[in-house]
Amino acid sequence: AQTVTQSQPEMSVQEAETVTLSCTYDTSESNYYLFWYKQPPSRQMILVIRQEAYKQQNATENRFSVNFQKAAKSFSLKISDSQLGDTAMYFCAFGWVWGQKLVFGQGTRLTINP
Amino acid sequence: DADVTQTPRNRITKTGKRIMLECSQTKGHDRMYWYRQDPGLGLQLIYYSFDVKDINKGEISDGYSVSRQAQAKFSLSLESAIPNQTALYFCATSDTGGGHEQFFGPGTRLTVL
Repeated sequence: AQTVTQSQPEMSVQEAETVTLSCTYDTSESNYYLFWYKQPPSRQMILVIRQEAYKQQNATENRFSVNFQKAAKSFSLKISDSQLGDTAMYFCAFGWVWGQKLVFGQGTRLTINP
Repeated sequence: DADVTQTPRNRITKTGKRIMLECSQTKGHDRMYWYRQDPGLGLQLIYYSFDVKDINKGEISDGYSVSRQAQAKFSLSLESAIPNQTALYFCATSDTGGGHEQFFGPGTRLTVL
């Protein structure tokens, strides 16, 4: 069964710093999708970034980028120039190509301090 | 208006009561999902439906049932609520085909006393 592990339950950085959230996963699939979702205090789940496993280029979305290491089954999220509004729970998730079930990690609570 | 709505947003009930959580979407997506979120466990899939006639159990379906009344509506029922079903429940939708983003509702916070 696919598993997703986020080893950092909590992280805290100062505003404007760069922070990296870790995620590892286990799968026997060769093609799949990986996602980072953000859950602010409003509890709404918001997609931050998506990576397709067959694409070698790391995905980027403005201040958010990923380091996708397929062989190591690692998918970390880097937030540059962090802002107070980045304070949230962040979930890493694995998705199958053929279906759209997602398997989520346990989450990392990120706090950006002024 | 929100694309995925859930009712109620918050609910407190007692052990043994039957509870229904409702989800509606205006995105026109065929696929709908129910997840449960517990602290430290992330989101776990309860049930999912790829169309009105296709309903499947997820990782933690025991104690839950679902009904897909229409393409736009997917309800989750707790037949006899118990305290360990206290959690945050999310409905989500996605377009057909893998790799598509899941769009989440605002969540229902359920407390079973």
